[in-house]
Amino acid sequence: DTGVSQDPRHKITKRGQNVTFRCDPISEHNRLYWYRQTLGQGPEFLTYFQNEAQLEKSRLLSDRFSAERPKGSFSTLEIQRTEQGDSAMYLCASSIEDRITEAFFGQGTRLTVV
Amino acid sequence: AQSVTQLDSQVPVFEEAPVELRCNYSSSVSVYLFWYVQYPNQGLQLLLKYLSGSTLVESINGFEAEFNKSQTSFHLRKPSVHISDTAEYFCAVSEAPKTSYDKVIFGPGTSLSVIP
Repeated sequence: DTGVSQDPRHKITKRGQNVTFRCDPISEHNRLYWYRQTLGQGPEFLTYFQNEAQLEKSRLLSDRFSAERPKGSFSTLEIQRTEQGDSAMYLCASSIEDRITEAFFGQGTRLTVV
Repeated sequence: AQSVTQLDSQVPVFEEAPVELRCNYSSSVSVYLFWYVQYPNQGLQLLLKYLSGSTLVESINGFEAEFNKSQTSFHLRKPSVHISDTAEYFCAVSEAPKTSYDKVIFGPGTSLSVIP
């Protein structure tokens, strides 16, 4: 499978615990994006990387959230001290910089905080 | 700032019937427009997009959408739906000509259910 892959697909955690998600983009794609999708809503932008540089972060990305893309390949999204409001689908997408209108999305990681 | 409205949260339709999923946007600048589809347990897939040129755009699986600047709409249509079209459909907008993905705004989505 050469698409965008995300791991894990599902995560259930207790409030206050830390969680980390991983995204592997399509290999030649230098842009990587994280979105959050809550029930009944469209995806909301969180942050994006061009290679290893994090170029922009949404105000939705509180200080409990951190994202990295250390070698410009896979990325991780960590949520510290999870809250029930963090329960959502976390989507990753990637694109080639000059074809940004054709980003490819992964299947997402569904987080449930209990 | 841009915003997207999808007035219909759920649209049930019988197989082989036509369907229209409505999308309206607001923006003070020129826009690019997109429709994405999300099948059950799958990621988002780009269905079609309007960047410039012809206001009528088509997808490979029979969907079409027409950009109407005066009505600020980008409704999605299909003349005859199949069971396999059952999915969530998201309209999205971004600022043109610079389509920085961080500026893509998604609507809340319309759930299309095709009834046999």
